[in-house]
Amino acid sequence: GAVVSQHPSWVICKSGTSVKIECRSLDFQATTMFWYRQFPKQSLMLMATSNEGSKATYEQGVEKDKFLINHASLTLSTLTVTSAHPEDSSFYICSAIRGQRGYTFGSGTRLTVV
Amino acid sequence: DAKTTQPPSMDCAEGRAANLPCNHSTISGNEYVYWYRQIHSQGPQYIIHGLKNNETNEMASLIITEDRKSSTLILPHATLRDTAVYYCIVRVNPNSGGSNYKLTFGKGTLLTVNP
Repeated sequence: GAVVSQHPSWVICKSGTSVKIECRSLDFQATTMFWYRQFPKQSLMLMATSNEGSKATYEQGVEKDKFLINHASLTLSTLTVTSAHPEDSSFYICSAIRGQRGYTFGSGTRLTVV
Repeated sequence: DAKTTQPPSMDCAEGRAANLPCNHSTISGNEYVYWYRQIHSQGPQYIIHGLKNNETNEMASLIITEDRKSSTLILPHATLRDTAVYYCIVRVNPNSGGSNYKLTFGKGTLLTVNP
């Protein structure tokens, strides 16, 4: 079945550094991918829609200069959290559209900024 | 996309059927009902989806009322591993064309399966 691989599954970084999260579609081509953020005991919040070969579309309130999204190929989208701060600590999840099931999700990345 | 309403939490005994309700009274004719679940610290997992007919797969059954204003997800024999947050989402099938592919999550129902 359709698989979306997300890497790393967890990362700890120092405040002020940048962290890159990768989202790969393993057995299909994804022209559109999505990035979500989830804080403890809350639901998933859509951050941005990533389109292959074009600029990402960010949701209201999401800083595009802080959360850089690159979708350079049909199988890879990356989210870079720049100048990370402790308040950026969260669970980040990507997804892609595949077939009749609609959406397939990655396993998520736990980011902790210390 | 139409808004959905789900109870915040439910309990179920292991081995019994778990029936999770969802209200979507403003659903449009071309909108599907999707169910996903999220086990703690994992990405959401697709369960089932349907338009107007009842659907069944290896994981669950989906019962949609005739007026399509509500639906019920049924896990026929709940196990401890079914403990998760279950999300009912209504939207147009993303493969049907158009430009708005966003999938928006509500708060879902925390199903706790007890031994």
